[in-house]
Amino acid sequence: AQSVTQLDSQVPVFEEAPVELRCNYSSSVSVYLFWYVQYPNQGLQLLLKYLSGSTLVESINGFEAEFNKSQTSFHLRKPSVHISDTAEYFCAVSEGGNRDDKIIFGKGTRLHILP
Amino acid sequence: DAGITQSPRHKVTETGTPVTLRCHQTENHRYMYWYRQDPGHGLRLIHYSYGVKDTDKGEVSDGYSVSRSKTEDFLLTLESATSSQTSVYFCAISEQTGVEAFFGQGTRLTVV
Repeated sequence: AQSVTQLDSQVPVFEEAPVELRCNYSSSVSVYLFWYVQYPNQGLQLLLKYLSGSTLVESINGFEAEFNKSQTSFHLRKPSVHISDTAEYFCAVSEGGNRDDKIIFGKGTRLHILP
Repeated sequence: DAGITQSPRHKVTETGTPVTLRCHQTENHRYMYWYRQDPGHGLRLIHYSYGVKDTDKGEVSDGYSVSRSKTEDFLLTLESATSSQTSVYFCAISEQTGVEAFFGQGTRLTVV
């Protein structure tokens, strides 16, 4: 069964500094990977996804993530964060292929932007 | 936004009472999920459905049951609510396996 580990529960970073949120997964088969964002008091929104093809995927607001099969990782990065990026970020994995497939989430990483 | 409606949005109930949360979708997606969100635990899968009357357990299914008699509705029932089931519950839908899920706005349940 698949699982997801987000290594940092909280990440403080100064505004305009770069950030990396780490995600590692465990699966015995091919995977599909996702990053979701949850702004305060809101639901979850898809930030970006890796389904196939290029291992580097980007979002419309400057985030990117790279699928690394050998390291079983899907880390999220942004070269310069803004105060509006304050949120909780969740990594998720799906194995696909089977009728009873499910999507499993990590415990989340709370991103704190410092002024 | 995907057409997902959760009801109620907020509920306070007493220990030992039954509670049913409803998730309604207008997207005709095959897959539906119930998660609970708790501080320090992220989102944990309770139950999910991969078709009408096809459901399966997730990682925290004890104390919960589900039903899906129509494509558009997925019900989560707490047969006898306990304080440990105080949480925010999210419904999600996806069109097929191996693609992203879309989330509802959540239901905040408090068991006193």
